Amino acid sequence: EVQLVESGGGLVQPGGSLRLSCTVSGLPFSGNSMNWVRQAPGKGLEYISYISSGGTTASYADSVKGRFTVSRDNAKNLLYLQMNSLRDEDTAVYYCASPGPLLTSWGQGTLVTVSS
Amino acid sequence: DIQMTQSPSSLSASVGDRVTIICRASQSITKYLNWYQQKPGRAPKLLIYSTSILQSGVPSKFSGSGSGTDFTLTISSLQPEDFATYYCQQSSSAPYTFGQGTKLEIK
Repeated sequence: EVQLVESGGGLVQPGGSLRLSCTVSGLPFSGNSMNWVRQAPGKGLEYISYISSGGTTASYADSVKGRFTVSRDNAKNLLYLQMNSLRDEDTAVYYCASPGPLLTSWGQGTLVTVSS
Repeated sequence: DIQMTQSPSSLSASVGDRVTIICRASQSITKYLNWYQQKPGRAPKLLIYSTSILQSGVPSKFSGSGSGTDFTLTISSLQPEDFATYYCQQSSSAPYTFGQGTKLEIK
């Protein structure tokens, strides 16, 4: 069974930073691209980041480009999202999902709240 | 980035009805269009990929069609468990953007 478990969410002030992690089991992690998707409270899904299986290629939504960085550790089956210069509008549940781009497996999400 | 636009944003229907949701891409995505269903408090579930291929375990009441920039999701014989929010997503080029969603509600 594929399992994705996000962690690292919480309350952060505007302008602050946070790093999310996603632990993956039940699938060949190093052979699959990975994705981050977020959902603001009461809003729709927003695809924010992709990383290739080897970690050499990444892409970002315009809304987070230059502020967020996706990375992965294939030896530890871990996916990361480093979020800097956080804004109020980054408040959302953040999901990791795989395998990209067909998102058949999702984590339960981790809530990030940006507020002073 | 490719922009995805769904219509309508919300839809009211009755049990037993057939409904259609439209998704339009800002540029051609050939056949690379996927549909997801999301229920409150739950992660999304992939229903259809590559325009018309049903994900394993998804009932045949769901169907998809289209190509290029215009796509549809049709759900026949609505049942109570089908009332949810539906999203299209393009998988032609990263970032793999979603439409804004269509909330299907019981009339």
